[in-house]
Amino acid sequence: DGGITQSPKYLFRKEGQNVTLSCEQNLNHDAMYWYRQDPGQGLRLIYYSQIVNDFQKGDIAEGYSVSREKKESFPLTVTSAQKNPTAFYLCALKGGDTQYFGPGTRLTVL
Amino acid sequence: SQQGEEDPQALSIQEGENATMNCSYKTSINNLQWYRQNSGRGLVHLILIRSNEREKHSGRLRVTLDTSKKSSSLLITASRAADTASYFCATAKDNAGNMLTFGGGTRLMVKP
Repeated sequence: DGGITQSPKYLFRKEGQNVTLSCEQNLNHDAMYWYRQDPGQGLRLIYYSQIVNDFQKGDIAEGYSVSREKKESFPLTVTSAQKNPTAFYLCALKGGDTQYFGPGTRLTVL
Repeated sequence: SQQGEEDPQALSIQEGENATMNCSYKTSINNLQWYRQNSGRGLVHLILIRSNEREKHSGRLRVTLDTSKKSSSLLITASRAADTASYFCATAKDNAGNMLTFGGGTRLMVKP
């Protein structure tokens, strides 16, 4: 929390629609991350970006896309190709060896 | 299976008791981190222990690391109802610490 903002807190979409989740930070950190969490599970890395205009796939990138046009922003798009998009999505940034997390967005696809 | 595996999956104790959670991992690590997550919230970083450290303290938290057994433990002493949360260990697959792998977590309930 603190300087990491994720909006909205809850998001509902119809099946087949793309949806973009917002992650903004005002802490001037370079590295940002997106994770997915399913009920009762740990987090899995979707994408990360170490610098503007550069990003890398994580463990479960299929069906997701990201952009990093500004240092402050790292939006995640959940595309219609993602078979099970309903989940809790967490954004994080890195300070030293530690990752700091935002409050999350709970996405429900109906 | 995931790099980190927590044990037990769930733990229920009375306020004032100590809570111990364990984490096992598979590959060599530079460091291991513990996080707490309250229901429906983001993760809060608790403590980081490096591979050359064996024990670390922070307030009521004590973390140990045994690299020969590839395991770590988190001890919360004198637990409080506010400690009720899920606790996760995380290790990095890469040297830069970008690709964190989390275990499934231990769900701790502290009864008042």
